[in-house]
Amino acid sequence: DAGITQSPRHKVTETGTPVTLRCHQTENHRYMYWYRQDPGHGLRLIHYSYGVKDTDKGEVSDGYSVSRSKTEDFLLTLESATSSQTSVYFCAIRESQRGGEQFFGPGTRLTVL
Amino acid sequence: GESVGLHLPTLSVQEGDNSIINCAYSNSASDYFIWYKQESGKGPQFIIDIRSNMDKRQGQRVTVLLNKTVKHLSLQIAATQPGDSAVYFCAENGGSARQLTFGSGTQLTVLP
Repeated sequence: DAGITQSPRHKVTETGTPVTLRCHQTENHRYMYWYRQDPGHGLRLIHYSYGVKDTDKGEVSDGYSVSRSKTEDFLLTLESATSSQTSVYFCAIRESQRGGEQFFGPGTRLTVL
Repeated sequence: GESVGLHLPTLSVQEGDNSIINCAYSNSASDYFIWYKQESGKGPQFIIDIRSNMDKRQGQRVTVLLNKTVKHLSLQIAATQPGDSAVYFCAENGGSARQLTFGSGTQLTVLP
């Protein structure tokens, strides 16, 4: 299995509170991604990173920010969580830009009450 | 807009039969495709990939077929086993070279 861990694995929080999810890799891959997965929508890209301090928005980036201060860590922050952000969040890594699979982490189940 | 979709949201097959899961894509610039398997409570797991300069690729019990003319991708699973029960996603590397676009998934159920 690819060396990807996500923390926490489960979290319940209240509307309006800040939440940070962490993705950690041991593969030294350049590309890292945050997705959310909801019934009927499959995997939707939130943000991705193509290097330290280099990030870009994905399809559903509103309400989320990311940071990557070192190769191995990619943080996803919900500045003020809303109930619509209740979802399962997956981190993925990829070695190269063109071609090559993305390896996924185990996911974080976030519930916003 | 660009999209990757699946013809059938659910598929049930008898154990031992072959399974075929289909996927349509709309971005003719896509040059790389992947099939993922996702079991309940887990992250997606790579099954097999194919580049656009190929029309067929085989793995262990799985075959991916690519028809660029009609922008269609399929995953064939031979001798389907109970452990194959999962959601299967296709993904394409198309509009942005850095990103994959995922389909919504097909639930495969293997019947005893």
